[in-house]
Amino acid sequence: IAGITQAPTSQILAAGRRMTLRCTQDMRHNAMYWYRQDLGLGLRLIHYSNTAGTTGKGEVPDGYSVSRANTDDFPLTLASAVPSQTSVYFCASSRDRGSPYGYTFGSGTRLTVV
Amino acid sequence: AQSVTQLGSHVSVSEGALVLLRCNYSSSVPPYLFWYVQYPNQGLQLLLKYTTGATLVKGINGFEAEFKKSETSFHLTKPSAHMSDAAEYFCAVNFNAGNNRKLIWGLGTSLAVNP
Repeated sequence: IAGITQAPTSQILAAGRRMTLRCTQDMRHNAMYWYRQDLGLGLRLIHYSNTAGTTGKGEVPDGYSVSRANTDDFPLTLASAVPSQTSVYFCASSRDRGSPYGYTFGSGTRLTVV
Repeated sequence: AQSVTQLGSHVSVSEGALVLLRCNYSSSVPPYLFWYVQYPNQGLQLLLKYTTGATLVKGINGFEAEFKKSETSFHLTKPSAHMSDAAEYFCAVNFNAGNNRKLIWGLGTSLAVNP
């Protein structure tokens, strides 16, 4: 089934540790996104990529980095995790940025930083 | 500033009752409009969308929404709620002015369906 795969599903991470959240899509979508979802704050865009080889900053990029070496993969890295990064992280993709077809979302990664 | 407002963070209805979830946006340019649904411990799923054409759009699971340009609204409705409709619903608007395309999300409305 075409879609987005995120890994891991959940993780408990010690503060100060480095972690990479993985995201892979098989729909050949050009654009990909990372969001964090926090209670009462909705979805906030962390980083995005309009196409392979390009990335951009969203609303809350501090403490996170991304890369887009190819069309399918869009990993999100926390260089040195802090408790405020405890959240549910969703990867999404769309045909193009601003696509009228909407976004496809992964199932999320629940991250707890202690 | 561009914004999307969902009126009511929590809505509770009885099974079989009308569901109405409100979404208003700020825009001077006709946007693309979306509703997404998120079931517990899952990702978001596209429910329906408006891009062009007929302003009343139908989605999955019996939901529909009407784009009212004069009211800058895109409210989501379902005539008869089912227990399985209990979920979080998000309105999103793509302010597609030129190359500055940006998807703005509402904060979500949690729908509870009571037996």
